[in-house]
Amino acid sequence: GAGVSQSPSNKVTEKGKDVELRCDPISGHTALYWYRQSLGQGLEFLIYFQGNSAPDKSGLPSDRFSAERTGGSVSTLTIQRTQQEDSAVYLCASSATWTGYNEQFFGPGTRLTVL
Amino acid sequence: AQKITQTQPGMFVQEKEAVTLDCTYDTSDQSYGLFWYKQPSSGEMIFLIYQGSYDEQNATEGRYSLNFQKARKSANLVISASQLGDSAMYFCAMRGWGNTPLVFGKGTRLSVIA
Repeated sequence: GAGVSQSPSNKVTEKGKDVELRCDPISGHTALYWYRQSLGQGLEFLIYFQGNSAPDKSGLPSDRFSAERTGGSVSTLTIQRTQQEDSAVYLCASSATWTGYNEQFFGPGTRLTVL
Repeated sequence: AQKITQTQPGMFVQEKEAVTLDCTYDTSDQSYGLFWYKQPSSGEMIFLIYQGSYDEQNATEGRYSLNFQKARKSANLVISASQLGDSAMYFCAMRGWGNTPLVFGKGTRLSVIA
């Protein structure tokens, strides 16, 4: 079946502009995660959605970052007033609930460049 | 809080040889899961292997095995018979109970030499 998809694959923006990154999880997966991978760094957790529960926003680096998940499926990560330090690859992942290892399946990522 | 430490920024291995990538972790949770992911230059994250904290046997998946030493809090990845296609970044990660987010180490870049 289809894996996790993300769009756009690349985004170049100017400092101060807002950007929206989209994630389509695997159908039926109830958990959805956003991570950020900066150059030379590991992966940093940003936000986590599980079913209809309130999202875990503990990883968001500032109030310029927000995310929503509509209808328990597609998610949008919004970064307002982008800064150069926001340049990174933003990865989305999804997992099923209580099946197997609950391993997370990752999308191809969105590479964000803030000029 | 959970923490993953990967002390080898880069490793080289000869083709067809075995290689061990180190991973130590720290957690106060009794129940947790340990994962290894591979990230080729294309950027995709590929799940390799999983070890649950209560699993008594080391996990194996084809050429990948996980050397789990709970008392030492280590979860090293062993790749047998290395292939050129194994050249990539390898990340060790862990999570607590259920579907909680993963905590990743900084990764080890493996280069397989012909």
